[in-house]
This record gives sequence, structure tokens and C-alpha cells, in this order.
Amino acid sequence: DAGVIQSPRHEVTEMGQEVTLRCKPISGHDYLFWYRQTMMRGLELLIYFNNNVPIDDSGMPEDRFSAKMPNASFSTLKIQPSEPRDSAVYFCASSSYTDTQYFGPGTRLTVL
Amino acid sequence: GDSVTQMEGPVTLSEEAFLTINCTYTATGYPSLFWYVQYPGEGLQLLLKATKADDKGSNKGFEATYRKETTSFHLEKGSVQVSDSAVYFCALRVSQGAQKLVFGQGTRLTINP
Repeated sequence: DAGVIQSPRHEVTEMGQEVTLRCKPISGHDYLFWYRQTMMRGLELLIYFNNNVPIDDSGMPEDRFSAKMPNASFSTLKIQPSEPRDSAVYFCASSSYTDTQYFGPGTRLTVL
Repeated sequence: GDSVTQMEGPVTLSEEAFLTINCTYTATGYPSLFWYVQYPGEGLQLLLKATKADDKGSNKGFEATYRKETTSFHLEKGSVQVSDSAVYFCALRVSQGAQKLVFGQGTRLTINP
């Protein structure tokens, strides 16, 4: 069975540009999580969904960040406009109820 | 609030040495506890877990015991290998019905041959 799929794996963009990160969760999982990892702040939960509905977005840093889950097999995290301080590795994870979270390989974002 | 504290890294050991990475937690209720491992360039993978007091999680030679009296979940391995070099994260889930994981800051482990 395929794991969590993220694209792109690497993204380099210039300040002010819009960035869209994509995630396909494991089939049958009804929870989806977006995390950000930096050296300074470690691993932070940004937002998570249950059955495509956002449950907790308290970790979203500011209005420049938005996340959607239009269906059970796809989610996006968008940053508009991007800033250099958004440079990080962004992980998507999925799980079924009370089960283990499975992480994708991450997207390394560099904003110049 | 709920939190996880791990021992400061980085940790450097020689092959076949004994490993301990300390983890303590603060939580209300009865959390489940986890160790995740992140190899270079990859996402986090579940290493082991324990869901109630005195449970021992184990996998790939690693072990951790859920100690409610000391609010700890220390990771141990009797003989480490170069392939164990990675970043290790301790985490808790606050209750059975909750989905959020609270992670520690991670401990980077390097094993030298």
C-alpha cells in the first residue's frame, strides 16, 4: 500500500510568490495533519482535518497560510505571499481514528 | 499545558554502545506515548508506542517503558549500530479520543563505527 504522498519534494521560490504544497493521504485514513519543521522551532502542528473538515487550525502562523481538503484523497497547503521565514520542511501525515500517524517524506521549501 | 521534554542533543556514541534517550512529559489525563525516528531526508516513522502505565513498547531492539510515577518514557537500546543514526522524537497523545500529537524537540543521534 502506498504511503502518504507529498509534492513537490523540493520547492525554491522568491519572496512574494504563491506556494502550493500537495498531499495525498493513505487510502481509508480520515485524519490529515500538516506540520512544519525548522531548526529553531522544531516540529509544529499547523492544522488538522477530520473527514475533510478542519478541526484545529490554531497552529497556522498567520493569514498568509491556508489549507484545504476538497476530498478524502487530497489536501493543499498554500502560502501567499511567501516570505523567507517560511523556509522549512513541511510534512503531511494521516491516520485513522486513534491509530498511528503516518508521515510523508516532506516538502523542503526555500523562499529567497 | 501538555508538553514533552527530551534530553539535549546531539548524542554521539560508538557502535555497540548502550543508548538511553530521556523523555519526560506533562499531561492531564492518561496520555499515550510514542517514539518516532527520522532518518536523514525522510519523514518521521513510528518506532514504538505504549498506551497505558507500565506498558513496554519495543521494536528493532529499542525499548521504552511508560512510567506514570516518574512521567517518563525513556528510549533504550542495548547495542547501537551505525544505521541507528537519526533524529528521535518523543511524543504524547493526550487521550484516546484525541488526535493531536505533542512532540519533544528531537534528539540527534550519531553512531560512529
